[in-house]
Amino acid sequence: AQSVTQLGSHVSVSEGALVLLRCNYSSSVPPYLFWYVQYPNQGLQLLLKYTTGATLVKGINGFEAEFKKSETSFHLTKPSAHMSDAAEYFCAVSGTGRRALTFGSGTRLQVQP
Amino acid sequence: EPEVTQTPSHQVTQMGQEVILRCVPISNHLYFYWYRQILGQKVEFLVSFYNNEISEKSEIFDDQFSVERPDGSNFTLKIRSTKLEDSAMYFCASSAGTGDTGNTIYFGEGSWLTVV
Repeated sequence: AQSVTQLGSHVSVSEGALVLLRCNYSSSVPPYLFWYVQYPNQGLQLLLKYTTGATLVKGINGFEAEFKKSETSFHLTKPSAHMSDAAEYFCAVSGTGRRALTFGSGTRLQVQP
Repeated sequence: EPEVTQTPSHQVTQMGQEVILRCVPISNHLYFYWYRQILGQKVEFLVSFYNNEISEKSEIFDDQFSVERPDGSNFTLKIRSTKLEDSAMYFCASSAGTGDTGNTIYFGEGSWLTVV
């Protein structure tokens, strides 16, 4: 079985500040981990993913995430927030033999001017 | 950039009516999916489809739901007799089939279904 926990349903940061969105997962098989972003009234867009290899993955729009197996975490970071980053962010997991994604409950990021 | 397209973007239907949501997956993809998101809740997996048959489904995907690939481009989700609790955003998605289950799943913009 797989599950994803996103700590903090709402996160507010100032423009230019560090963004940190937390994701912890549970998986009985080696996980594949994803971050998706959903802008208002739009679909889900892939930010980045981890499958194998380098544990620090870089995505679009300056975001990156680090897979830490010992902590079962895949936190999303961005050094400097921009107003356009305001959106809902979803962490998701799949794994060997299972193509379907299991999503976390999402974190709404608000960026203050 | 190739994208998944969905129609309609919004549909209002009366309880008990049948609804068909349509999707055109990315053309060279082999795996197709439906997910749903009830307002304010997480995105939930409904069903995956490969080689003209269901490959995986969740407990949500009961006998009221069915999927079909009627031709070489469309992928549909049918809800036979809609209930109020079926009101949600329904996302179609697709992914390439290379045997690596880390393949990216690409989502459409969703079809918002309101059951009244």
